[in-house]
Amino acid sequence: DTEVTQTPKHLVMGMTNKKSLKCEQHMGHRAMYWYKQKAKKPPELMFVYSYEKLSINESVPSRFSPECPNSSLLNLHLHALQPEDSALYLCASSQDLGGRLFFGSGTQLSVL
Amino acid sequence: KQEVTQIPAALSVPEGENLVLNCSFTDSAIYNLQWFRQDPGKGLTSLLLIQSSQREQTSGRLNASLDKSSGRSTLYIAASQPGDSATYLCAVRRYSTLTFGKGTMLLVSP
Repeated sequence: DTEVTQTPKHLVMGMTNKKSLKCEQHMGHRAMYWYKQKAKKPPELMFVYSYEKLSINESVPSRFSPECPNSSLLNLHLHALQPEDSALYLCASSQDLGGRLFFGSGTQLSVL
Repeated sequence: KQEVTQIPAALSVPEGENLVLNCSFTDSAIYNLQWFRQDPGKGLTSLLLIQSSQREQTSGRLNASLDKSSGRSTLYIAASQPGDSATYLCAVRRYSTLTFGKGTMLLVSP
């Protein structure tokens, strides 16, 4: 199984809503990542978890809050987002911090 | 700061052609280089990974080469098919950071 599963696939939320994105992998990978991708741009790194601990936070605003409940799951909690936060949010995992990255299919987020 | 450039930005070819996509990077101190494919609105599919000690990797009709000293990689696609139409991204890895190029948008027409 080389799959990273993300839910939901699409999400529309208002600026006052609270929502969560979920990501799951069963490859035994110990590094997990959140990326943000705007249309026609490359993915931008947001957060990196290694062995369930936050390793990198790329100066992401606090309205994005990551959580890694266990080695297979990664969440991204969203609160008070802005319309400019609308983007494709991608989760990825790798065996370790230097390994091959496997991406999920993403959550297309629209903030109204 | 690592910078990754992909040329061309877009490419349109008829079915059956062999083609080469180019990727260059400014800092040769990398762990590995990965080529991805992305269909519109979808996630990235890993195609090939080349470790810094390797020169090339092959998978089916795809062949990727790496010249670390000159900061270059190429992705060769043989006998292109309409199903190969997608954006191809290269990304270089150092430590936990993966730096992406802006991609080459490929269109293969029947």
